Amino acid sequence: EAQVTQNPRYLITVTGKKLTVTCSQNMNHEYMSWYRQDPGLGLRQIYYSMNVEVTDKGDVPEGYKVSRKEKRNFPLILESPSPNQTSLYFCASRGGNEQFFGPGTRLTVL
Amino acid sequence: TQLLEQSPQFLSIQEGENLTVYCNSSSVFSSLQWYRQEPGEGPVLLVTVVTGGEVKKLKRLTFQFGDARKDSSLHITAAQPGDTGLYLCALSGDSGGSNYKLTFGKGTLLTVNP
Repeated sequence: EAQVTQNPRYLITVTGKKLTVTCSQNMNHEYMSWYRQDPGLGLRQIYYSMNVEVTDKGDVPEGYKVSRKEKRNFPLILESPSPNQTSLYFCASRGGNEQFFGPGTRLTVL
Repeated sequence: TQLLEQSPQFLSIQEGENLTVYCNSSSVFSSLQWYRQEPGEGPVLLVTVVTGGEVKKLKRLTFQFGDARKDSSLHITAAQPGDTGLYLCALSGDSGGSNYKLTFGKGTLLTVNP
């Protein structure tokens, strides 16, 4: 079954404590991306990756890092989380015109 | 910067009614996608339209891409409670942009009451 998985699904943390949200896809897609979804603001792209070792900033990259060492994995790293990064995060993987989203990670930064 | 506006923002109707939601862009785009998102889940792709004037049907859902490729509509016939969700449009690429990047509208939150 084609899917994008994210972990954890829920996370509550404190300001400044580094965290990583993992993302993995099994469709051999080259293009992957991260979004955050906030009420009234919709889905906004954080970072994307065109292929292994190729990443670039999306619309709201500040405070985030990513890496793409393997085609299937695209982790999102928050080196020093702040309360304004409390949000619902989605990883996505795209092949051709079809984009698949993960189930989401709800992050709360206290 | 492309702007993508969806209307209405909220829509609450009774089962059996018809409805149309709209997606409008400030500029031409190469393709447009419609997604549906249920609470607690990620968006799921419904359809991609690429040709101006194109009409696609998915059961009771009809998607139309404007001739000028700047707007699209989603029409639902005889809505059912299972149609409840957030409907998002997303556009891909413009005359000078990357075809991989998707820009999303803020969505139409549809509630279909039994």
